[in-house]
Amino acid sequence: QKEVEQDPGPLSVPEGAIVSLNCTYSNSAFQYFMWYRQYSRKGPELLMYTYSSGNKEDGRFTAQVDKSSKYISLFIRDSQPSDSATYLCAMCARSGNTPLVFGKGTRLSVIA
Amino acid sequence: NAGVMQNPRHLVRRRGQEARLRCSPMKGHSHVYWYRQLPEEGLKFMVYLQKENIIDESGMPKERFSAEFPKEGPSILRIQQVVRGDSAAYFCASSPSSETQYFGPGTRLLVL
Repeated sequence: QKEVEQDPGPLSVPEGAIVSLNCTYSNSAFQYFMWYRQYSRKGPELLMYTYSSGNKEDGRFTAQVDKSSKYISLFIRDSQPSDSATYLCAMCARSGNTPLVFGKGTRLSVIA
Repeated sequence: NAGVMQNPRHLVRRRGQEARLRCSPMKGHSHVYWYRQLPEEGLKFMVYLQKENIIDESGMPKERFSAEFPKEGPSILRIQQVVRGDSAAYFCASSPSSETQYFGPGTRLLVL
């Protein structure tokens, strides 16, 4: 079993839809969770960072963490064509500087 | 404040040649990470360095790969005697003393 599982998609939605992206993980030591957005042929861009169970909201983006189920989600409200990208979940076990473990990424297309 | 800089952006090498990839972290960041992204795969951690020190190289292949982060100048990822399987996108990330990592645009290595 991989440490981090993420459905690769592709996921195609109409403009304005609510998008739900998910990752599961097996290592209960993971405590810090991030979502990155990666446009084609570009580097990953940090979108959201959270370390506690529950929800964290930033504009149209909401990150949700359920440590008891080892499940994290990213919701995108009012999706736009500019949201079309690959979304990567990442996590690590301890605070401070430590390598991240990534999911494979979900490719999202928002159709105008 | 400039972001993480990587060069070259694209690198073509023939089998058996050496590849040198450079990374300049964000200003004020003293922690550097190298990740490799194969087609249709997520990012895989390779090595974590601070100035003049390798902190964690658990993701580095045992042979042909080396990394350094000298007191002055960029971090260098060096691949000796490249093989076709080394073709990938190599990303550098930098961090202040926290869990959040900021990625560069990547170097795309193609081995002919």
